[in-house]
Amino acid sequence: SAVISQKPSRDICQRGTSLTIQCQVDSQVTMMFWYRQQPGQSLTLIATANQGSEATYESGFVIDKFPISRPNLTFSTLTVSNMSPEDSSIYLCSVDWGSDTQYFGPGTRLTVL
Amino acid sequence: GNSVTQMEGPVTLSEEAFLTINCTYTATGYPSLFWYVQYPGEGLQLLLKATKADDKGSNKGFEATYRKETTSFHLEKGSVQVSDSAVYFCALSTSDYKLSFGAGTTVTVRA
Repeated sequence: SAVISQKPSRDICQRGTSLTIQCQVDSQVTMMFWYRQQPGQSLTLIATANQGSEATYESGFVIDKFPISRPNLTFSTLTVSNMSPEDSSIYLCSVDWGSDTQYFGPGTRLTVL
Repeated sequence: GNSVTQMEGPVTLSEEAFLTINCTYTATGYPSLFWYVQYPGEGLQLLLKATKADDKGSNKGFEATYRKETTSFHLEKGSVQVSDSAVYFCALSTSDYKLSFGAGTTVTVRA
């Protein structure tokens, strides 16, 4: 089965800094997504990562805060910019191979001090 | 808009007990329905899915049937094990492929 990896798996950052999270898949995918899971909460979709064009953001999320890149069909990055303690969450990427089923990476656990 | 309402937890059971987690949904069109599981400290794993009315998804002893008339997709397992302790999420997707999640139900199984 295909492997979805994320880097880093966890990080502790200072407020005001930025962190870039990578999502790598070992086969080409149709769609890639980024989700946030705040402590003890469910998952919220941040954006759809579009290959070769700007990401499509959900209500409440903006490009300046969460810039996303997807240069090809197997890789995407999410940057959490100008972080505050409220950004402490697990960030997960997911992929869809065109079967209307999303598979998730292991997540990146972010703590902002 | 689309939404998923999940039975609130936490749920605590003894080993070999019967587990049911209720899930109902509101959606435009004909959604696909999913159950995901998150084991402690891990990411989400797809547990099962159903794409049309009366479909039954099953995996690892878990089952859920897509009930259009009651807009429900309840998860069941006949005999739980300690290793089933996890958070379970009900979710749906529609034509835009985006997932909407329920709040999650924490299940603890005691030996």
